[in-house]
Amino acid sequence: NAGVMQNPRHLVRRRGQEARLRCSPMKGHSHVYWYRQLPEEGLKFMVYLQKENIIDESGMPKERFSAEFPKEGPSILRIQQVVRGDSAAYFCASSVRQGPYEQYFGPGTRLTVT
Amino acid sequence: SQQGEEDPQALSIQEGENATMNCSYKTSINNLQWYRQNSGRGLVHLILIRSNEREKHSGRLRVTLDTSKKSSSLLITASRAADTASYFCAPGTSDKLSFGAGTTVTVRA
Repeated sequence: NAGVMQNPRHLVRRRGQEARLRCSPMKGHSHVYWYRQLPEEGLKFMVYLQKENIIDESGMPKERFSAEFPKEGPSILRIQQVVRGDSAAYFCASSVRQGPYEQYFGPGTRLTVT
Repeated sequence: SQQGEEDPQALSIQEGENATMNCSYKTSINNLQWYRQNSGRGLVHLILIRSNEREKHSGRLRVTLDTSKKSSSLLITASRAADTASYFCAPGTSDKLSFGAGTTVTVRA
């Protein structure tokens, strides 16, 4: 069984460019969560999606950030016009059911903005 | 959702010793989860304890939950070098999890 897959693992972008982070949940999981981790800090919730629906985006910055989980294909976290402060590790997790249950995490994408 | 606060921030122990870390939270929960993060990697789920449970075991891990004190503890017995990692608790009240800064455990050979 393949786990949660994220790509790319490392991404370097210049200020002002766009970053696209992809997440393929575990097979059979229809609930996807995105988290951001700054150096020396814990993970901060960003957004919770189900297929074709954003359920909770209370942790997403109001501007430049968007997320989707289409009917087919991976979930995408998109950051437009990146700034240095966006440099972080972005983790995706998936779960089989809704609620505060076990989540399976991907290896993360490390975004560096130069 | 609410964030758990882990204590201590860092812990250094000798291989074979036990490691104990604590988690405090503020409001009522459905369950509480513990996760481990090895350096530079994603989190790995360790154990979930429900609000009506007081203690749970999984291998060398023992978790307790005291809802009256709004606290939980994670005990790792007979530690190994591979247990070197950061450990996070996540109080579960809604669909999303919020993590504190974690406890960094270093197991010395």
